[in-house]
Amino acid sequence: AQSVTQLDSQVPVFEEAPVELRCNYSSSVSVYLFWYVQYPNQGLQLLLKYLSGSTLVKGINGFEAEFNKSQTSFHLRKPSVHISDTAEYFCAVSSTGANNLFFGTGTRLTVIP
Amino acid sequence: DAGVIQSPRHEVTEMGQEVTLRCKPISGHNSLFWYRQTMMRGLELLIYFNNNVPIDDSGMPEDRFSAKMPNASFSTLKIQPSEPRDSAVYFCASTSGAGGQIFGPGTRLTVL
Repeated sequence: AQSVTQLDSQVPVFEEAPVELRCNYSSSVSVYLFWYVQYPNQGLQLLLKYLSGSTLVKGINGFEAEFNKSQTSFHLRKPSVHISDTAEYFCAVSSTGANNLFFGTGTRLTVIP
Repeated sequence: DAGVIQSPRHEVTEMGQEVTLRCKPISGHNSLFWYRQTMMRGLELLIYFNNNVPIDDSGMPEDRFSAKMPNASFSTLKIQPSEPRDSAVYFCASTSGAGGQIFGPGTRLTVL
């Protein structure tokens, strides 16, 4: 089975500062990795995904993530955050070819003006 | 594409009443998932279907919960009888493969 650990439950950061949200996974098989964003009172929206190929993945809203197999990590980064990035961010993993996802507990990003 | 459609968006009911939540997946998607989200327990997978067949219902809390998918374009999640601890946001998601699930807007359920 797969599992995901999001080490930080809350991350406050000032506007225009860089941010990194950490995600580590555990799996005995090859994986696909995902980041989702949830804005207040909305559903989860797919931010980016790693399926294969380049380990640096670019997503929407200027976010990117890097798959590191040796460290079993898939950290999410953005060089300069905006107020509108305030949201909950979920990391998720699935085994390759599977449809079901295993989600982390989420990281609440708060951007401070 | 209208995305995943859920109805109702909000539901307020009294303890003991039957509640039915509805989901229309994206056309062409062959897998459908029901999740529950609460502050205390976070995001929980309740059940998922492949090609209308339930694959894993181990997340369904108890016998009061049931889910059906009579065809590829419709699924229901029913709670009977409902209890205050069932209050949560219920999400439906669908996918056509391993490229990630698309979530609906959710149904906010309040059981008084």
